[in-house]
Amino acid sequence: AQTVTQSQPEMSVQEAETVTLSCTYDTSESNYYLFWYKQPPSRQMILVIRQEAYKQQNATENRFSVNFQKAAKSFSLKISDSQLGDTAMYFCAFMKHEGAQKLVFGQGTRLTINP
Amino acid sequence: DAGVTQSPTHLIKTRGQQVTLRCSPISGHKSVSWYQQVLGQGPQFIFQYYEKEERGRGNFPDRFSARQFPNYSSELNVNALLLGDSALYLCASSFRDSTDTQYFGPGTRLTVL
Repeated sequence: AQTVTQSQPEMSVQEAETVTLSCTYDTSESNYYLFWYKQPPSRQMILVIRQEAYKQQNATENRFSVNFQKAAKSFSLKISDSQLGDTAMYFCAFMKHEGAQKLVFGQGTRLTINP
Repeated sequence: DAGVTQSPTHLIKTRGQQVTLRCSPISGHKSVSWYQQVLGQGPQFIFQYYEKEERGRGNFPDRFSARQFPNYSSELNVNALLLGDSALYLCASSFRDSTDTQYFGPGTRLTVL
């Protein structure tokens, strides 16, 4: 079974700073997908970024980028020029390439951006 | 386009009762998945349905059931409610039964007293 671990329960940074959220996972699969989702107080789970394991290039979406280290089974999220609206719970998630569309989530990191 | 919608927003039930939660996927999406998110934890996978067929089931008791309708909307049913069923129930949709990204609805907050 796959597991996802987020070792930072809470983080807090000042607005405009850069912050990195950590995620490690355990799997015997060779082909899979990794995601970062954001859940603000409104509860809606919002996709931040997606990475295909077969791609060596790290995914980027505007201020959000990942550092994907397949051998180390590590998938960190970097948020540049952080904004107040980035305040949320961030979840790292894993999905196998084959089988049901089952996302396996980590426990989450509560990120607070301070003015 | 409208996103994934869920109803009701909030629900309060007592132990032993039954509940039905509803989900409408994004227009054109044919796959619907259900997740349970207990307070302070990440979501846990319950079911996935695609083209009205169950494609996956998580580690949940038989009290949990679901179905998908011809218009691709879905219902999640929970019988004989327990206090531990109190959670946020999230629905997610995707275009196909594959590795397409899942898009989540706002959730239904279920409280069991």
